Amino acid sequence: NAGVMQNPRHLVRRRGQEARLRCSPMKGHSHVYWYRQLPEEGLKFMVYLQKENIIDESGMPKERFSAEFPKEGPSILRIQQVVRGDSAAYFCASSPPGQNSNQPQHFGDGTRLSIL
Amino acid sequence: QKEVEQDPGPLSVPEGAIVSLNCTYSNSAFQYFMWYRQYSRKGPELLMYTYSSGNKEDGRFTAQVDKSSKYISLFIRDSQPSDSATYLCAMSAVGANNLFFGTGTRLTVIP
Repeated sequence: NAGVMQNPRHLVRRRGQEARLRCSPMKGHSHVYWYRQLPEEGLKFMVYLQKENIIDESGMPKERFSAEFPKEGPSILRIQQVVRGDSAAYFCASSPPGQNSNQPQHFGDGTRLSIL
Repeated sequence: QKEVEQDPGPLSVPEGAIVSLNCTYSNSAFQYFMWYRQYSRKGPELLMYTYSSGNKEDGRFTAQVDKSSKYISLFIRDSQPSDSATYLCAMSAVGANNLFFGTGTRLTVIP
């Protein structure tokens, strides 16, 4: 499967625990984006990363949320001390490298995070 | 005011009908326009990707952009039951990293 791979597909955490969501981009893609989808709302941009660099984190909450895309391995979205309001579907997208930053973004099937 | 407005539906049509899905937006800086299809419990799948105004056709799908009215449309001809899904519009400005999405329109095509 050459598509964007996200795992786990479902994640259940209790309030105060940490959640780690993983994303492997499509083959040949070096740009990764994270979005959050709340019920009855559209997808909301969180962060844009390239290998070892956070390019744009304007949509990330200032506290408890962090993201990384190391030189080797998948991109990780980390949520510390989760609260009920963090329950949502988290989608990762990737795009190919290029001078034009408006490359089409291709999405994975998401991780559905539930907070008990 | 939301930057992208989309009627959530639901929209039900008989098989073979022409479907029209629409979005309006407020940010005149948007230049790139996309339509995604999302099946239940799946991620958005890119259907159409257009730049600036005009039409683009791909099989049974036609995307239209009217920048003067800040209005975009997706037409589906000869709709099939397999087209039943939620359709999301998305858009971005030149050089921007993030997409702005509508809330999606849920479509059901009845056999």
